[in-house]
Amino acid sequence: ETGVTQSPTHLIKTRGQQVTLRCSSQSGHNTVSWYQQALGQGPQFIFQYYREEENGRGNFPPRFSGLQFPNYSSELNVNALELDDSALYLCASSFWTSGSYEQFFGPGTRLTVL
Amino acid sequence: QKEVEQDPGPLSVPEGAIVSLNCTYSNSAFQYFMWYRQYSRKGPELLMYTYSSGNKEDGRFTAQVDKSSKYISLFIRDSQPSDSATYLCAMIGNTGFQKLVFGTGTRLLVSP
Repeated sequence: ETGVTQSPTHLIKTRGQQVTLRCSSQSGHNTVSWYQQALGQGPQFIFQYYREEENGRGNFPPRFSGLQFPNYSSELNVNALELDDSALYLCASSFWTSGSYEQFFGPGTRLTVL
Repeated sequence: QKEVEQDPGPLSVPEGAIVSLNCTYSNSAFQYFMWYRQYSRKGPELLMYTYSSGNKEDGRFTAQVDKSSKYISLFIRDSQPSDSATYLCAMIGNTGFQKLVFGTGTRLLVSP
């Protein structure tokens, strides 16, 4: 077990709705990244937070947003849900230091948009 | 063209076989290379982590990186049915933040 937890496990929403996914990082880690994994694909990088600031973003629209809290838990918010947003959402925690890029993933939240 | 190419499989082998999983990539800035194992409906689990070219061994697993060919491999010796999973290669360059770029994953099936 990585010590990274995510909630909820599963979620069903309808198109146009908003959703918030939560992640609790591994103890001692100061960086959290969020990834989207569509069925049969590898995870795609959404964004990363370091010390409560977004410090990197992938090719995702602004309706994907996030927060990182002082206790290093974090949220992923998605507005105006689309059918293509159906995927497994993964958070990964790590400790930012020069030469260390190991990321440890949580079990994911499976989002279904109808 | 994708930055990281990986054969999706499935790759079926008998128990005890040596398994070879591979990825190619196009971005010469990638310097850190990882292999993750993902069981169905679970999050990826970090197996191996290597920097630049060379080999790294951990138990039954060996990771190889050939930066001149932009080619990485994971070898699994004495494969077990419990090794049946999807194996994802991932890599990272000097972007200033820790963005992992993944392959699509190779599904491995080890039969008893």
